[in-house]
Formats: sequence, structure tokens, C-alpha cells
Amino acid sequence: KAGVTQTPRYLIKTRGQQVTLSCSPISGHRSVSWYQQTPGQGLQFLFEYFSETQRNKGNFPGRFSGRQFSNSRSEMNVSTLELGDSALYLCASSTQTGNTEAFFGQGTRLTVV
Amino acid sequence: GESVGLHLPTLSVQEGDNSIINCAYSNSASDYFIWYKQESGKGPQFIIDIRSNMDKRQGQRVTVLLNKTVKHLSLQIAATQPGDSAVYFCAENTDTGFQKLVFGTGTRLLVSP
Repeated sequence: KAGVTQTPRYLIKTRGQQVTLSCSPISGHRSVSWYQQTPGQGLQFLFEYFSETQRNKGNFPGRFSGRQFSNSRSEMNVSTLELGDSALYLCASSTQTGNTEAFFGQGTRLTVV
Repeated sequence: GESVGLHLPTLSVQEGDNSIINCAYSNSASDYFIWYKQESGKGPQFIIDIRSNMDKRQGQRVTVLLNKTVKHLSLQIAATQPGDSAVYFCAENTDTGFQKLVFGTGTRLLVSP
């Protein structure tokens, strides 16, 4: 069974631009969560999607948004990029929401210049 | 991999030793916990989980201990190997109805041959 797939692996964007990252969960998994990882803040929860609905959101500005499609694939979008948005963006998939095993992808390394 | 860089605690062991990595979690209401291993350039890899109705759970070469009284988790790795070198994170699910993991700062494990 294929793992969690994130694309692209690396991205360089300019301040003010927007970016869309993609996550394909493990087959059969319906929950997708997104996390931001930086050296200063560690791993921080962005949001979770389950059955195409955002279930929970972390403490990030409205420039960070996402969606989930009927096949459980998810995208996250960051608008008006800032230098501080440079990070590793990780998605995790689970069979369902709540207290279940969460498996991560390799991440997308976003650099904002 | 990413981590809280400057203040990341490091555990150095010799190959063949047993390693114990500790973690203090934040929310006394959390009832599900996961340990992850993150190697450089990769996403977090699921190691083992434990629910709050258990004190101990064993996997292959790993054991997780949970002490709810003092909000403490530990990961024991038996017969540590150089391939175990990585950053280890504990994570708690703070909201039972959702998938929202709160991560610890991480511990870097260095295994010398």
C-alpha cells in the first residue's frame, strides 16, 4: 500500500505570491491533517479535514486555508506569502478522525524569498 | 528533519545500549499518544502509540510507558542501532473528537558504532 504522497517536494516562492500544496492520503484514509514544521516553533497543527469538511483549525492566520476532495486528497493554500512562512509542510493521514494512528508524508519544503 | 534546533536535547548512546527518551505532555485530558521518529530530510515516521487506559505498550524493540499522574511518556529502545539515530517526538491528541496532534520539542538520539 502506498504511503502518504505530498507534492511538490520543494518549492521556492517570492514574498506576496500564493502557493498550493497537495497531499494524497493512504488509500482508505479519510482524515488529512496539515502541520508546519520550523526550527523555531517545531511541529504545529494547521488544520484537519475529514469527509471534505474542515474539522479543526490551529492558530494560524486566515492566509492559510485548505480543502479536501471527495477522493480524500487534500490541498492547502497559503496566500500573500511572507518570509516567515518558509517551513516544511507536512500532511498526515488517518483512517478516521480522533484517536487513531496518523501517518506522515515526506513533506513539502517551502522557501519564501 | 526539522526540530526545535538550538534547544534540542540530545541523547548519545553506544550501539547495543538501551535508550530511554522522555517526554512531558501538556494536557491532562489527552488520551492518545504517539511516538514518531524523524530522520533528516524525511517526514515523521510512526513508531508506536498508546491510549490513556494503558500504562505500557510494547512493539518490536520499543516500549512506551505512560504515567498519567505526572503527565510523562517515555520511549525505550532496546539494543539501539546506528539506524536508530534520528530526532524523536512525542505527540498527544488533545481533542478526542478530532485529529489534532500537539508535538513535544523532540530529542535527538545519536548512536555510535
